[in-house]
Amino acid sequence: EVQLVESGGGVVQPGGSLRLSCAVSGFSFRNDWMYWVRQAPGEGLVLVSHINGDGTGTTYADSVKGRFTISRDNAKNTLFLQMNSLRAEDTAVYYCVRSLYSWGQGTLVTVSS
Amino acid sequence: DVVLTQSPLSLPVTLGQPASISCRSSQSLVSIDGNTYLYWFQQRPGQSPRRLIYEVSNRDSGVPDRFSGSGSGTDFTLKISRVEAEDVGVYYCMQGTHWPPWTFGQGTKVEIQ
Repeated sequence: EVQLVESGGGVVQPGGSLRLSCAVSGFSFRNDWMYWVRQAPGEGLVLVSHINGDGTGTTYADSVKGRFTISRDNAKNTLFLQMNSLRAEDTAVYYCVRSLYSWGQGTLVTVSS
Repeated sequence: DVVLTQSPLSLPVTLGQPASISCRSSQSLVSIDGNTYLYWFQQRPGQSPRRLIYEVSNRDSGVPDRFSGSGSGTDFTLKISRVEAEDVGVYYCMQGTHWPPWTFGQGTKVEIQ
């Protein structure tokens, strides 16, 4: 069974940092492109970042470029999102997504003073 | 960036009746490889999104056959042949042809009237 379990969300002050993790199981992680998608409260879906299978290719939404960094550890079947210089508008549920198909349950990030 | 425009944004439906959601793209979604990377996702209340359709018209595993996708170029449609209570939620189209960024439509809220 494919599982994606996000962790690392929480409340952080503006300008602060958080590192999200997504532990995966049930599939060959190193072969799949992975994504982070976020959903602000009551809003729609926005794809924040993607990474290819071996970690050599990444992309970012303009709204997070230069502040967020996606990475992966294929030996530990884990995806990461390092989020720096957080802003109130980054408040959202962050989903880990495999191949635009399988979704985790999401982790809530709240940026507030 | 490709803009996806869904209509309607709110869709009251009667149980057992058909429903249809439109997704229009600001540019053709036919890729240079000849495929069209248009997806449909369902998000039930309080749940993570779930992919229903990939590449315009292919149902994902476990998706009831009352869901169907169609279209080409810039105009696409998700149809539910007979709405059931479990179909309540928000439906999103998404394009993966012109990336980055991958982009979603605004979402269509389906509710039982």
